[in-house]
Amino acid sequence: DGGITQSPKYLFRKEGQNVTLSCEQNLNHDAMYWYRQDPGQGLRLIYYSQIVNDFQKGDIAEGYSVSREKKESFPLTVTSAQKNPTAFYLCASTQREGWHEQYFGPGTRLTVT
Amino acid sequence: AQKITQTQPGMFVQEKEAVTLDCTYDTSDQSYGLFWYKQPSSGEMIFLIYQGSYDEQNATEGRYSLNFQKARKSANLVISASQLGDSAMYFCAMREVGDGGSNYKLTFGKGTLLTVNP
Repeated sequence: DGGITQSPKYLFRKEGQNVTLSCEQNLNHDAMYWYRQDPGQGLRLIYYSQIVNDFQKGDIAEGYSVSREKKESFPLTVTSAQKNPTAFYLCASTQREGWHEQYFGPGTRLTVT
Repeated sequence: AQKITQTQPGMFVQEKEAVTLDCTYDTSDQSYGLFWYKQPSSGEMIFLIYQGSYDEQNATEGRYSLNFQKARKSANLVISASQLGDSAMYFCAMREVGDGGSNYKLTFGKGTLLTVNP
């Protein structure tokens, strides 16, 4: 079955450590996205990529970094510069042509103490 | 200014009744798309329904329909015959063709928590 996988589902880190969240898709989608969701809030865009080796900052990119070396993979690194990293992180992908919905992964809940 | 406004933080409905979740949007683009997603307590985002700005008919998908009023910039989700499994957060989102039209970004509202009572 095609879909998006994110691992792990729960992640715990100490303050000051960088952490990388995994996102893999086998939907053959060109565009991929990372969102952050805080309790009781909507999704806010962190970074997005429309093609391999290219990505753009979203609305809240500070303290995050990404790479897009393969079409299937779009890992997100939460750096120690991110002041409030504890959140639910969702990865999504979509086809570039036409008006298609974004498909989402199951999410990773990151807790930094 | 918010691009997507969902004014109902929480809604309650009796099982088997219909419920309308409100969504208003703000854009200067002529071409845009509106999406509704459901987020159960497990966290995954489930796509429900899509409405294009040029679509003349309101979108329908099973028990979901979208009441699209372009002049009022509203795109309300109607769920008919509510089921207990419909209890979840519901998000309205918009994609605009602006910014070169090629970024395929979605802007989300803050969501409405729907509770279906037995």
